[in-house]
Amino acid sequence: EDQVTQSPEALRLQEGESSSLNCSYTVSGLRGLFWYRQDPGKGPEFLFTLYSAGEEKEKERLKATLTKKESFLHITAPKPEDSATYLCAVQATGGSYIPTFGRGTSLIVHP
Amino acid sequence: KAGVTQTPRYLIKTRGQQVTLSCSPISGHRSVSWYQQTPGQGLQFLFEYFSETQRNKGNFPGRFSGRQFSNSRSEMNVSTLELGDSALYLCASSGGTGVRDTQYFGPGTRLTVL
Repeated sequence: EDQVTQSPEALRLQEGESSSLNCSYTVSGLRGLFWYRQDPGKGPEFLFTLYSAGEEKEKERLKATLTKKESFLHITAPKPEDSATYLCAVQATGGSYIPTFGRGTSLIVHP
Repeated sequence: KAGVTQTPRYLIKTRGQQVTLSCSPISGHRSVSWYQQTPGQGLQFLFEYFSETQRNKGNFPGRFSGRQFSNSRSEMNVSTLELGDSALYLCASSGGTGVRDTQYFGPGTRLTVL
């Protein structure tokens, strides 16, 4: 069974204090790994897709990296507007195309 | 390109009633998936429709059903509502081919069951 575990569950940072969120996964074969950002009461907003180990993608203060067992979402010099829940999902090869989601990391950035 | 839209955004129902939620996918997307999100359980997959056929189904009771129309718009129905059905219901659309396929989510429908 595909499994996705995100850590930490919650993270509080001061503005400008860089950190990383972790997404570890267990799948028979990885088709793709997705990162989403979700604000309270809203739908998840797509951030990145990573397909193979060693791949990296960046968007403003966010950088996502991928290894064979985990992905990291690095947040550099965060601002209060980066506060949100960040969700990780994996899509496995074979079977259905439905991604398996982690429980998310709730990030709060204090000014 | 317009995003995924969901209507209504908010609903309040009482136990025993039924409800229908609607989702319009991104133009050109043929796959529509439905998820239930609660604080305790996170995002849980309900079902996926592709070309008017249910292609995948999650582990939810038969009270939860859906359909997809020829224009790819989808509806989800919940009958005999229970208090535990209170949740944010999310719709996601994608191309549906599975190859480098990314799901894009709508804003959700907040359902409250009293």
